[in-house]
Amino acid sequence: DIQMTQSPSSLSASVGDRVTITCRASQSISAYLNWYQQKPGKVPKPLIYAASNLQSGVPSRFSGSGSGTDFTLTITSLQPEDFATYYCQQSYSIPKTFGPGTKVDIK
Amino acid sequence: QVQLQESGPGLVKPSETLSLTCTVSGGSISRYYWSWIRQPPGKGLEWIGYIFYSGSTNYNPSLKSRVTISLDTSKNQFSLKLTSVTAADTAVYYCAREASCGDDCYSFDYWGQGMLITVSS
Repeated sequence: DIQMTQSPSSLSASVGDRVTITCRASQSISAYLNWYQQKPGKVPKPLIYAASNLQSGVPSRFSGSGSGTDFTLTITSLQPEDFATYYCQQSYSIPKTFGPGTKVDIK
Repeated sequence: QVQLQESGPGLVKPSETLSLTCTVSGGSISRYYWSWIRQPPGKGLEWIGYIFYSGSTNYNPSLKSRVTISLDTSKNQFSLKLTSVTAADTAVYYCAREASCGDDCYSFDYWGQGMLITVSS
């Protein structure tokens, strides 16, 4: 199985801050990396697919980059509705695996 | 707009079989992969397995011996059976559509609302 790790596991930030979350795969997954946002008690929401492509309707303050084993999710100018947990997920091989999540909360 | 809705018993006794159905509306079940994903309370996401519209399946090896996913195209539904459940199987179970994003790329683009399944006597 491909193991996914994320750092940090949690962070505190203020509205307007730039936030960067890192996701690392235990082996190369090319660009087959997706990001999801989940708020407490809610369904995961797709944000980014194939490492750097925004899903329809996702604000442009979200961006993704990376390939191989190292990936980042960046939120420029954090908004109140962005406080949530973010998960990366590899679609390179079976079983599909998710990172443990990064919780972004209010400083 | 595609919508997915899970249904089934919310309480299952230990050693029994968990059975859930996902009903897809607003779109055809054809041409996509249909997955089950679960999330224990306060924890992360775990992919259980998928079924393709052709009927082919693939399961997480950690659960493979206990999982069966099936499809009923006439009802636009797919189902999950998980046998011999224990308290460790208590989780929110989501059904999700996995769509191609081009060139062997796939992502979960539509999710059901999720259903909390508790395993307890």
